[in-house]
Amino acid sequence: SYVLTQPPSVSVAPGKTARITCGGNNIGSKSVHWYQQKPGQAPVLVIYYDSDRPSGIPERFSGSNSGNTATLTISRVEAGDEADYYCQVWDSSSDFWVFGGGTKLTVL
Amino acid sequence: QLQLQESGPGLVKPSETLSLTCTVSGGSISSSSYYWGWIRQPPGKGLEWIGSIYYSGSTYYNPSLKSRVTISVDTSKNQFSLKLSSVTAADTAVYYCARRGLGPPDAFDIWGQGTMVTVSS
Repeated sequence: SYVLTQPPSVSVAPGKTARITCGGNNIGSKSVHWYQQKPGQAPVLVIYYDSDRPSGIPERFSGSNSGNTATLTISRVEAGDEADYYCQVWDSSSDFWVFGGGTKLTVL
Repeated sequence: QLQLQESGPGLVKPSETLSLTCTVSGGSISSSSYYWGWIRQPPGKGLEWIGSIYYSGSTYYNPSLKSRVTISVDTSKNQFSLKLSSVTAADTAVYYCARRGLGPPDAFDIWGQGTMVTVSS
């Protein structure tokens, strides 16, 4: 089955840029979605189709996808961005949704 | 505004069947534009998709859980349900229901708050 690999943790200072990666075999050929999950809360969709933002999601959140790596980029990081982030793709070979293991973003 | 709410027992005994219901409010589950899904999250761990259903009853499941999972829909009550049989401690998790669009964003864009289910005797 298809595997998505995320770094367990990423740390960034306020005002800087955070980049969270999601690795997978030829992931660039798939559409990647990203979710933000704060403690005790349900996940929230922040990026879909690699780089589109749902309404209400700040422009600071952006995404890219090429080759074997998709990336969620958060610019001008704020304390409120501290959360777990998950990538997700559709595995068409097995017909199921796959999530990455999640990355904990810490704002220093 | 569409909302989803999970309900069901918070404690299930090993080898028994876990049963949860998701009630959709503020919109119709019979819309042709959406699938409805279940996702779970063991304590301190990541997300795992369980399965999804269309209002017509068409389903698809995570292959690793398929032998134990049944998802059904009741359009008259605007609800869909999850049954997971032969549960073990490994099934202890927060269970979420969520909506997925059949077009953009084609992702789970609305989630319930989640319900904790513990498997223990």
